[in-house]
Amino acid sequence: AQSVTQLGSHVSVSEGALVLLRCNYSSSVPPYLFWYVQYPNQGLQLLLKYTSAATLVKGINGFEAEFKKSETSFHLTKPSAHMSDAAEYFCAVSVYKAAGNKLTFGGGTRVLVKP
Amino acid sequence: DAGITQSPRHKVTETGTPVTLRCHQTENHRYMYWYRQDPGHGLRLIHYSYGVKDTDKGEVSDGYSVSRSKTEDFLLTLESATSSQTSVYFCAISATGTGNDEQYFGPGTRLTVT
Repeated sequence: AQSVTQLGSHVSVSEGALVLLRCNYSSSVPPYLFWYVQYPNQGLQLLLKYTSAATLVKGINGFEAEFKKSETSFHLTKPSAHMSDAAEYFCAVSVYKAAGNKLTFGGGTRVLVKP
Repeated sequence: DAGITQSPRHKVTETGTPVTLRCHQTENHRYMYWYRQDPGHGLRLIHYSYGVKDTDKGEVSDGYSVSRSKTEDFLLTLESATSSQTSVYFCAISATGTGNDEQYFGPGTRLTVT
């Protein structure tokens, strides 16, 4: 069975500082990995996804993530936080079966950006 | 934005009553999913559909049933609501259902069972 662990349910960063959100996964097969963002009272929006084409994946809004197989990690980073980055972020691994891909999510990390 | 709507957006109901949530899409995507979101648990899959009248259980399916009679609509029913089903429910869709396929999420339905 697949699982995802996000270290830290809350992260506080200063505006302009590095954002680092940690995600570790377990999977019995090569995984597909995703980061989603959820703004208050909204649904989830895809930030980026890893599909084995490249280990460093660039997403929207200046975010990127690096897949490290040896560490079973897919950490999300952004060099300089903006106030608009305040949101909750979810890492997910895809479990593909013939009847469709099922996402297994981590518990989420809420990001607070301080001015 | 993907054309996904959920209704109702908010609902308060009493324990023991049946509740049906509706997800409607205009993208003609084959795959549809129902998730629930609870603090600390992220989103957990309840049921999903891989075509009209084709559905399967997810991780937390007990107490829920689904139906899909048309491509565009996916209904989630709580036969007899319990307080443990108080949650935010999200519908999602995907086109191909392959492992790297993005899922698009609706705006969510906040359900409170008193």
